[in-house]
Amino acid sequence: RKEVEQDPGPFNVPEGATVAFNCTYSNSASQSFFWYRQDCRKEPKLLMSVYSSGNEDGRFTAQLNRASQYISLLIRDSKLSDSATYLCVVNHGLGGYNKLIFGAGTRLAVHP
Amino acid sequence: NAGVTQTPKFRVLKTGQSMTLLCAQDMNHEYMYWYRQDPGMGLRLIHYSVGEGTTAKGEVPDGYNVSRLKKQNFLLGLESAAPSQTSVYFCASSYRRQETQYFGPGTRLLVL
Repeated sequence: RKEVEQDPGPFNVPEGATVAFNCTYSNSASQSFFWYRQDCRKEPKLLMSVYSSGNEDGRFTAQLNRASQYISLLIRDSKLSDSATYLCVVNHGLGGYNKLIFGAGTRLAVHP
Repeated sequence: NAGVTQTPKFRVLKTGQSMTLLCAQDMNHEYMYWYRQDPGMGLRLIHYSVGEGTTAKGEVPDGYNVSRLKKQNFLLGLESAAPSQTSVYFCASSYRRQETQYFGPGTRLLVL
């Protein structure tokens, strides 16, 4: 079983749609959580951190459920520029360094 | 301020050849990382470094060696390339006390 699991997609949605991505993680000791965005043939970039109380950044809302070990990302009013792969990332916080575990990603394609 | 840079961007090797991938960062980050990314899988950590002169094994270290002689540079070596090492290699760096990792643009390696 993968430590971080995501639906690979692709999610094909029209502009203006609301889309939600889910992610589950297996290590209950995980300490912090993130969503990264990766454009085609580019490097991953931090989109947002995920806090226990849930947090919002413009059209993006992230939620965390520690009891279910589940993370979500909601994108409202999708734009063409949102087309990318979204990586769910978990920090185990062990070993004295920032041990990030990456999901394989969920691909989003927004069409006109 | 270039951030994280990687050279080369693309390389084709024959089985058994050796090569070195160079990563450089100008953000004075203490931590540096080498990942590989393969289709359908999340980024996997090869080696990492928590400071100049230190290196440690990550999740998939076999077949690779690293060195960090200067704080700003992190080198990844393949002594005898194998087709299984065909992948996209990403370098990343971070501050010791921050979890956000900043990635380089990647190196695409094809081993024939």
